[in-house]
Amino acid sequence: SQKIEQNSEALNIQEGKTATLTCNYTNYSPAYLQWYRQDPGRGPVFLLLIRENEKEKRKERLKVTFDTTLKQSLFHITASQPADSATYLCALDVGNGQNFVFGPGTRLSVLP
Amino acid sequence: KAGVTQTPRYLIKTRGQQVTLSCSPISGHRSVSWYQQTPGQGLQFLFEYFSETQRNKGNFPGRFSGRQFSNSRSEMNVSTLELGDSALYLCASSLVAGDLSEQFFGPGTRLTVL
Repeated sequence: SQKIEQNSEALNIQEGKTATLTCNYTNYSPAYLQWYRQDPGRGPVFLLLIRENEKEKRKERLKVTFDTTLKQSLFHITASQPADSATYLCALDVGNGQNFVFGPGTRLSVLP
Repeated sequence: KAGVTQTPRYLIKTRGQQVTLSCSPISGHRSVSWYQQTPGQGLQFLFEYFSETQRNKGNFPGRFSGRQFSNSRSEMNVSTLELGDSALYLCASSLVAGDLSEQFFGPGTRLTVL
């Protein structure tokens, strides 16, 4: 069956460290993958998109990798700050460009 | 530029009633997608509209329907409400459907069914 998982429901790290979040999927062949940030009571905010033929994408302190062989994407936040505390969602494109499947999310807490 | 707006923000209904939610996309955006978010199921795709036509549909029963107007504003309707329909309903707009453009989400409508 098709499944998309994110490594853990919650992740606590110390300020200044690198947070690494994992998104694994089975029985999908996404053309691209997106990462979103969601704060409580608000809609998700788009962070990064990576295509299937791209290995890595960076934006400021954020880095995303995409391994279609392992069916996995890693999302890194370097020099993490308490303001980075939020739920992070990965989303796969499963066809037609706008039909997305979202992972359950990982709630990241960056402790001062 | 104003973001995606959704009305109402909060809604309480009883079982068996119907509800209509509204979404105004960012000016110039022509694609609107709707999602349901619950603690148990996460964020699930409902449907997507582009140029007043439904392009994609998720795995939801026919009680969930939507439409898009010529100004790109969209509404979704849920008939014969069930307790399990309690959720945060999010809409997202993007410039053009299918061009990998990022989606911009609204704040959502929190629906509670009693």
